[in-house]
Amino acid sequence: GAVVSQHPSRVICKSGTSVKIECRSLDFQATTMFWYRQFPKQSLMLMATSNEGSKATYEQGVEKDKFLINHASLTLSTLTVTSAHPEDSSFYICSARFGEETQYFGPGTRLLVL
Amino acid sequence: AQSVTQLDSHVSVSEGTPVLLRCNYSSSYSPSLFWYVQHPNKGLQLLLKYTSAATLVKGINGFEAEFKKSETSFHLTKPSAHMSDAAEYFCVVRRHASGGSYIPTFGRGTSLIVHP
Repeated sequence: GAVVSQHPSRVICKSGTSVKIECRSLDFQATTMFWYRQFPKQSLMLMATSNEGSKATYEQGVEKDKFLINHASLTLSTLTVTSAHPEDSSFYICSARFGEETQYFGPGTRLLVL
Repeated sequence: AQSVTQLDSHVSVSEGTPVLLRCNYSSSYSPSLFWYVQHPNKGLQLLLKYTSAATLVKGINGFEAEFKKSETSFHLTKPSAHMSDAAEYFCVVRRHASGGSYIPTFGRGTSLIVHP
């Protein structure tokens, strides 16, 4: 299947700083990418849908000013966690939609905010 | 609204015995359903999908699932478990979003434990 990469795979930052996570579709163009958050032993929670060339659509309860999403090209979406706090520590996963039915997932980024 | 319910948070089997991971869906129209597997520290991998073609869907690694509309179920099965099957399994349904697009809704996940 197609490959989706995420960078970095893990990041540790100080409280109050901002962290950018990149999601790239390596061998196909993705007009739509999704960002998820996964807490330990829990399911994936959809945070937002990232559409190339337009504003992201955020799920209810997700702060758009806190989690900035930019989908500037057909192969790259970025998630920036602004003014990170310890409660933002989590596993962040992106996926890229391929066609109508299929998603390919990135390996995830583990964020730890101290 | 479209949703899925994974009935078991944990399933424990012995190596070589059958696997059954249960998933029930709720949908106001014919749904598209998926099973994904997540191994520790790895990305999610698609096992199989149902999109209104054959009701018995065969996936990778010997897994299959049967879409049963009368029971609103899409249970995942495998005849003989391997140690390497130990992982987290997610049942997923697509739901409509604004603008005519679809977005995925995940079940809570089932942790498959395989004993030697």
